[in-house]
Amino acid sequence: KAGVTQTPRYLIKTRGQQVTLSCSPISGHRSVSWYQQTPGQGLQFLFEYFSETQRNKGNFPGRFSGRQFSNSRSEMNVSTLELGDSALYLCASSLNTGGNEKLFFGSGTQLSVL
Amino acid sequence: AQSVTQLGSHVSVSEGALVLLRCNYSSSVPPYLFWYVQYPNQGLQLLLKYTSAATLVKGINGFEAEFKKSETSFHLTKPSAHMSDAAEYFCAVSDPPGGGNKLTFGTGTQLKVEL
Repeated sequence: KAGVTQTPRYLIKTRGQQVTLSCSPISGHRSVSWYQQTPGQGLQFLFEYFSETQRNKGNFPGRFSGRQFSNSRSEMNVSTLELGDSALYLCASSLNTGGNEKLFFGSGTQLSVL
Repeated sequence: AQSVTQLGSHVSVSEGALVLLRCNYSSSVPPYLFWYVQYPNQGLQLLLKYTSAATLVKGINGFEAEFKKSETSFHLTKPSAHMSDAAEYFCAVSDPPGGGNKLTFGTGTQLKVEL
């Protein structure tokens, strides 16, 4: 079974631009979560989607948004990029959304904002 | 809100020695607790999880953790370290328990294994 696939692996953008990151979950998984990882703030939850509906949202500004498609693939979008958005963005999938689920993580998208 | 605290951002052990990585949690209700490992340039991998079934939880790669309510702790141990265990380890709590897959992670502990 293929694992969680995130594209692209690396991305370089400039301030003010917008970016879209993609995540393909493991086949059959209906929940997709997104996390931001930085050296200063560590791992922070962005949002979770389950069956195309946002289940949870973290404490990030409205510039960060996401969506999930009917095939469970998910995208996250960051508009008006700031230098502080430079981070590793991790996507994780799981079968369900019970809170005690095993999350399967992708290798992440490394975003650099110049 | 639930939270976890990992004591020691860096831990160094000799190969074959006991590994002990500390995690304390703060939760107003029985928590769901997790340990994840991250190898360089990779995503996170679940080592083990506590979901109130048994207080001693066994995971992959010889790791285990014991849930101690009286101490609000969920420390990760492995009897004998191997070079391949060198990685960053994260303790996490489901926030809130049963409220979806929102995890609150600790700041991580970098484990170094020396010959």
